Amino acid sequence: QVQLVQSGAEIKRPGASVKVSCEASAETFSDYFIHWVRQAPGQGLQWMGMINPNSGGTTYAPRFHGRFTMSRATSATTLYMELNSLRSEDTAVYYCASDPSGDGVVGFDFWGPGTLVSVSS
Amino acid sequence: DIQMTQSPSSLSAYVGDRVTITCRSSQNIGTHLHWYQQKPGRAPNLLIYAASNLQSGVPARFTGSGSGTTFTLTISSLQREDSATYYCQQSRNTYMFTFGQGTRLEIK
Repeated sequence: QVQLVQSGAEIKRPGASVKVSCEASAETFSDYFIHWVRQAPGQGLQWMGMINPNSGGTTYAPRFHGRFTMSRATSATTLYMELNSLRSEDTAVYYCASDPSGDGVVGFDFWGPGTLVSVSS
Repeated sequence: DIQMTQSPSSLSAYVGDRVTITCRSSQNIGTHLHWYQQKPGRAPNLLIYAASNLQSGVPARFTGSGSGTTFTLTISSLQREDSATYYCQQSRNTYMFTFGQGTRLEIK
């Protein structure tokens, strides 16, 4: 099974940027896509985008296009999400989640523990 | 975007009860529908994928059904540890995955 380890909590000022990492266990990782999902305090789940760790190909949710970037380390087992021009509404827990099919047809089977990003002046 | 609407938004039931949560999509999504359970402070956990398939390790009291635009998640005999928020998610549109707003389940 895939294990996902995320970087620690972040506190940022409005207008700043944040970069969160998601490190995946290497076992069968080459078969997985990684999605990013966020959850504001007391709110539901919001899909942000997905990345193919092998090709680096990405798909972004329209509302995040331009302010949100997904990338991968050279090793391809560490993925990153970066969110720019932070505002208070970006305060949320950010999750990475694995997708064994690449098109979500069998759901997101493993999730990281989440990274809390707090945006406050 | 495909909109997902869950009902009810919250419910309360007793241990041993049969509980059903409904999820409706704004357009036909076939069986591209998944259910997750989320407990406070934890990441979501996949319960059911492709509308009716039980994810490995998930108790058999959880079942999913439906296709097209209407789907249900049923817990046949509620256990105390089932207290959580449940989300449906569509994967028909792979350029914009969307979740329902969630259903909070409380054990009386």
